[in-house]
Amino acid sequence: GAVVSQHPSRVICKSGTSVKIECRSLDFQATTMFWYRQFPKQSLMLMATSNEGSKATYEQGVEKDKFLINHASLTLSTLTVTSAHPEDSSFYICSARVATSGQINSPLHFGNGTRLTVT
Amino acid sequence: KQEVTQIPAALSVPEGENLVLNCSFTDSAIYNLQWFRQDPGKGLTSLLLIQSSQREQTSGRLNASLDKSSGRSTLYIAASQPGDSATYLCAVFNQGGKLIFGQGTELSVKP
Repeated sequence: GAVVSQHPSRVICKSGTSVKIECRSLDFQATTMFWYRQFPKQSLMLMATSNEGSKATYEQGVEKDKFLINHASLTLSTLTVTSAHPEDSSFYICSARVATSGQINSPLHFGNGTRLTVT
Repeated sequence: KQEVTQIPAALSVPEGENLVLNCSFTDSAIYNLQWFRQDPGKGLTSLLLIQSSQREQTSGRLNASLDKSSGRSTLYIAASQPGDSATYLCAVFNQGGKLIFGQGTELSVKP
């Protein structure tokens, strides 16, 4: 159970273009999804928390106008990297928590990540 | 601010050896601690989750312990196999509602 699907798995884009990454919970509903970024040989850094039907909460230092997050349904959150630059090249991973009342400490389930390369 | 540290950063062992990976965290006010495995270029696979009220969890050859008061956790892997080669990440779910990761231990098990 608890499968999170992330698409695409790899994307190469030119500098200045925008890229959308989708994160879907396939067999459960997720009121909260998290977006992480991982640079080579480094750990996962939380970028933002996405709540269904409301605005995302961004971590300090993450530009909300550059990394647009939309969580329009209980099974889908999207991250759009706008006007991408080579320094945005990274591995982006989403995670989701099963929407069970009171279970704030339930485990997170992760997607397989998206490798973004900006040329 | 919660900080999670993993030692060692890299570890190479011969097949069959038992090994221990270490994780420490600065703020003991956590809901739970989770150990993950990450293969190169891939997402995360959850291995074990220990709630703050628990002391350890076991799954097959893996055993994870938690000492919340001292801010430490260990992941014990018994009888290591080449297929265990991966990066192991420790993460704590703090009371601010966020999962904070360590930098990982890159494990290589030589046949």
